[in-house]
Amino acid sequence: SQKIEQNSEALNIQEGKTATLTCNYTNYSPAYLQWYRQDPGRGPVFLLLIRENEKEKRKERLKVTFDTTLKQSLFHITASQPADSATYLCALDGGGYQKVTFGIGTKLQVIP
Amino acid sequence: NAGVTQTPKFRVLKTGQSMTLLCAQDMNHEYMYWYRQDPGMGLRLIHYSVGEGTTAKGEVPDGYNVSRLKKQNFLLGLESAAPSQTSVYFCASSYLQEPQHFGDGTRLSIL
Repeated sequence: SQKIEQNSEALNIQEGKTATLTCNYTNYSPAYLQWYRQDPGRGPVFLLLIRENEKEKRKERLKVTFDTTLKQSLFHITASQPADSATYLCALDGGGYQKVTFGIGTKLQVIP
Repeated sequence: NAGVTQTPKFRVLKTGQSMTLLCAQDMNHEYMYWYRQDPGMGLRLIHYSVGEGTTAKGEVPDGYNVSRLKKQNFLLGLESAAPSQTSVYFCASSYLQEPQHFGDGTRLSIL
């Protein structure tokens, strides 16, 4: 069966360092992968989308990589700030209309 | 520009009661979705719609019904609430193969 794995344990990182979050998947051949941010009590907010023919995508301090051979995406936040503290979800298209499947998310805590 | 608006934000029900959650979007999106989010489970798709007048089942549709009578609105109904339906419900909307825009959720407790 299709499976998305994100490290369910919280990631604590010192302010100013680069945070790296991992999304692994099995039994998928996604055409694209998305990353969302979710703050407590709020809905997820879209950050970045990367397609299967793209290796890397950047947006300001954010960078996403997509390795279809390893079946893995890495999400990097450079020069992390306490305001970056949130839960980050990866999402893959499962084919067929908009059947996007979400991982359970990784909680990032940036310590001042 | 409100985006996706969900009402109510909180609700407590007794087992067996019924209720309807309302989702409204002002972005003219064709696609709309209802998810539930539970600890350790992530977002799970309940039902979705690819256009006005259409609905389809997602991953966990049992115990829920939906309607999309107008393009901007997507309603989620619980006919006979059960404690297992205690959750946070999120509505989202999008264009085809575009990122989804989410509301801020409805926190529902079934006693």
